[in-house]
Amino acid sequence: AQKVTQAQTEISVVEKEDVTLDCVYETRDTTYYLFWYKQPPSGELVFLIRRNSFDEQNEISGRYSWNFQKSTSSFNFTITASQVVDSAVYFCALSDPTSGYSTLTFGKGTMLLVSP
Amino acid sequence: NAGVTQTPKFRVLKTGQSMTLLCAQDMNHEYMYWYRQDPGMGLRLIHYSVGEGTTAKGEVPDGYNVSRLKKQNFLLGLESAAPSQTSVYFCASSPRQGWDTQYFGPGTRLTVL
Repeated sequence: AQKVTQAQTEISVVEKEDVTLDCVYETRDTTYYLFWYKQPPSGELVFLIRRNSFDEQNEISGRYSWNFQKSTSSFNFTITASQVVDSAVYFCALSDPTSGYSTLTFGKGTMLLVSP
Repeated sequence: NAGVTQTPKFRVLKTGQSMTLLCAQDMNHEYMYWYRQDPGMGLRLIHYSVGEGTTAKGEVPDGYNVSRLKKQNFLLGLESAAPSQTSVYFCASSPRQGWDTQYFGPGTRLTVL
């Protein structure tokens, strides 16, 4: 069965600290897609990254980086030198083959609080 | 482009009342989705559509109906609202398959008394 686990419900850090948000997934598929979305206090969900199962290269975008490891079924997200504006709920999601890949399975989210 | 818009932004209903939430997208996307977000539960899929005239059930479809008469619009209906349907509702759309990026609307906060 499809499952996405974000074990960290809430993380609090002080500005400029590095922080890693964990995402562990379960799927029987060999082809799948993983996503991260950000939901700032304003409420709207913002797409951050999509990664397919054939591409295990880590990705870096500014202060954001993602570590995809198929061996441990993890797709972790690291924010370097965190800022107050990074405070948000972050969701990890996995493509769902049971719907013909029409839908995503979301984790329950991790709330990140960055204090000045 | 406005992207994905939702109407209304807020609504308060009494138990048993009905209402329709409207989602509109101007990106010519084939796929559209309705989610609900509850504290500690993440996003749960209610219904989705893979094209004009099609609908399918998601994880939590009970108590809701949907229609996709036009490609750009996806309507979510509550025929007889219950307090358990108090939630924030998000609409999303994506260009092709579900593995493509989903673009979300701003959400509708619904309270059922």
